[in-house]
Amino acid sequence: AQSVTQLGSHVSVSEGALVLLRCNYSSSVPPYLFWYVQYPNQGLQLLLKYTSAATLVKGINGFEAEFKKSETSFHLTKPSAHMSDAAEYFCAVSRGSGTYKYIFGTGTRLKVLA
Amino acid sequence: DTAVSQTPKYLVTQMGNDKSIKCEQNLGHDTMYWYKQDSKKFLKIMFSYNNKELIINETVPNRFSPKSPDKAHLNLHINSLELGDSAVYFCASSQPEGTQYFGPGTRLLVL
Repeated sequence: AQSVTQLGSHVSVSEGALVLLRCNYSSSVPPYLFWYVQYPNQGLQLLLKYTSAATLVKGINGFEAEFKKSETSFHLTKPSAHMSDAAEYFCAVSRGSGTYKYIFGTGTRLKVLA
Repeated sequence: DTAVSQTPKYLVTQMGNDKSIKCEQNLGHDTMYWYKQDSKKFLKIMFSYNNKELIINETVPNRFSPKSPDKAHLNLHINSLELGDSAVYFCASSQPEGTQYFGPGTRLLVL
């Protein structure tokens, strides 16, 4: 069975500081991994995805994530937080191409302090 | 140019009523989904259709019935609405390799 754990339901950073949102996964097969962002009262927008190619994945809005198989992690980072990054972030795992079921983490709310 | 659209955006109704939410995607994807997001933001898949065929049916009360008239549409009908059905319902569609694209959500409030 697959699962996703997002450590920290709330994370606060100062504007300009490093953003680090943690995601650990459990999967019996090589996973596909995703990060989505949800702004208030909006749908989910894909930030980036890992599909067994390069382990360092770059996404939109300056975010990137590194797949570390030994640590079963896929943490999301951004070097310098902007006020507009304040949102809910979700990590998700699937069993790979041709499979349809995502398992989502419980989300991390990012707050950016001025 | 909206990729995945849902109607209505907001739905306020009384307990016991029947309501439908519509979803359309113009991405040419074969697979569509319904998710429920509860008040704690937890996202759980409810149903998935591939080429109009049901492929995922999670443990959902049978008051919820999805219908896919064609590949571009997946509607959700809910009978005898209950207070606990209040949530945000998201439609999504995916490419063959699995990346899912979400609609803006329908906020359902049952009074």
